[in-house]
Amino acid sequence: EDKVVQSPLSLVVHEGDTVTLNCSYEVTNFRSLLWYKQEKKAPTFLFMLTSSGIEKKSGRLSSILDKKELFSILNITATQTGDSAVYLCAVEGPYSGGSNYKLTFGKGTLLTVNP
Amino acid sequence: DSGVTQTPKHLITATGQRVTLRCSPRSGDLSVYWYQQSLDQGLQFLIQYYNGEERAKGNILERFSAQQFPDLHSELNLSSLELGDSALYFCASTSRDSPYNEQFFGPGTRLTVL
Repeated sequence: EDKVVQSPLSLVVHEGDTVTLNCSYEVTNFRSLLWYKQEKKAPTFLFMLTSSGIEKKSGRLSSILDKKELFSILNITATQTGDSAVYLCAVEGPYSGGSNYKLTFGKGTLLTVNP
Repeated sequence: DSGVTQTPKHLITATGQRVTLRCSPRSGDLSVYWYQQSLDQGLQFLIQYYNGEERAKGNILERFSAQQFPDLHSELNLSSLELGDSALYFCASTSRDSPYNEQFFGPGTRLTVL
């Protein structure tokens, strides 16, 4: 069964700090890894990674994938209180009953940024 | 606002009852995914429909069923409800037949079973 493990489960930092969130996975026929940010309600998409070693960046957020070691990290620099959220990692792998694909999510990392 | 709508926002019901959750995907999206999010299990994929057909199935209980209608809206039916079914239920949509791009999530329906 596909597995996605995120660490840490929870993190509390001060504004301005840099944080690194980890996601490791086990999935057969990996296709992609996605990061989402979940504040009060629905997850919102951050990044999709398919190739090893290529960093994706969006402002203060960046992410990289290591397909050999089966993990990804999400970095947030100069954190702000608005970054407080649950960060979810999901891996796309095949659906066992057919030819389609599905996402398996980790349990998330709760990031709290204090002023 | 993702463009995906879900109704109702909150639902409180008793054990043994049956409820229907509704989702309208973004305009033009053909794929709808249903997820259940509880505190202990995280976000769990339930089922996917693409243009009216079931395409992938995850950890969906036999008491649960879903369908996608010709106008592409989808309904998730939960029956013989148990306390453990209390959770946030999300639907998400994409334009393609695979989550190989970002999924747009609706605001969710919070189900409380008493």
